[in-house]
Amino acid sequence: GAGVSQSPSNKVTEKGKDVELRCDPISGHTALYWYRQSLGQGLEFLIYFQGNSAPDKSGLPSDRFSAERTGGSVSTLTIQRTQQEDSAVYLCASSLGQIYGNQPQHFGDGTRLSIL
Amino acid sequence: DAKTTQPPSMDCAEGRAANLPCNHSTISGNEYVYWYRQIHSQGPQYIIHGLKNNETNEMASLIITEDRKSSTLILPHATLRDTAVYYCIVRVAWESGSARQLTFGSGTQLTVLP
Repeated sequence: GAGVSQSPSNKVTEKGKDVELRCDPISGHTALYWYRQSLGQGLEFLIYFQGNSAPDKSGLPSDRFSAERTGGSVSTLTIQRTQQEDSAVYLCASSLGQIYGNQPQHFGDGTRLSIL
Repeated sequence: DAKTTQPPSMDCAEGRAANLPCNHSTISGNEYVYWYRQIHSQGPQYIIHGLKNNETNEMASLIITEDRKSSTLILPHATLRDTAVYYCIVRVAWESGSARQLTFGSGTQLTVLP
């Protein structure tokens, strides 16, 4: 079956430009997560969406980062005025969500973002 | 979440069983043991999880000791494509607050040798 799909797979942009990263979660998954992973580092949580509830934005590193999830499905992570330290792999994950308990998160292959 | 400890690296011959250990001596009663792996340049992949009973799926088996302080992930017939970093984590059953986030430790680099 279809897994979590992320696009683009790679993105190279100049410092100061805005970028949009897209995530298509697994159909029927109500929970969606964004993480980033720098080279050789662990996962850094960014934001969490669950159904129609207000998102948990506690991991967003600055106000240049924002995310939305339209219609409870596709999500877009936007980074404004990109900086070189934003270079990382941005990972999206989805799961069946909180009400089911102990549900694993399933990841996409990420977007590798490089800021020149 | 309880801390886990894993060996930094292991080798396994292709076709043989790979047994990856994990210690989680401070695990609490409502925490599950999860295993993920990450193949180079790919996103993390969920493998299996369990609470106290042994579990098996199409990818692997999970053996949890009776006291739940350690577990072993078994890949019954390792292939070259199983070469990856394997992460053992423990998480509460119901996601709330910081428990929603996945946090990986250093994991075990498994290398399957031809």
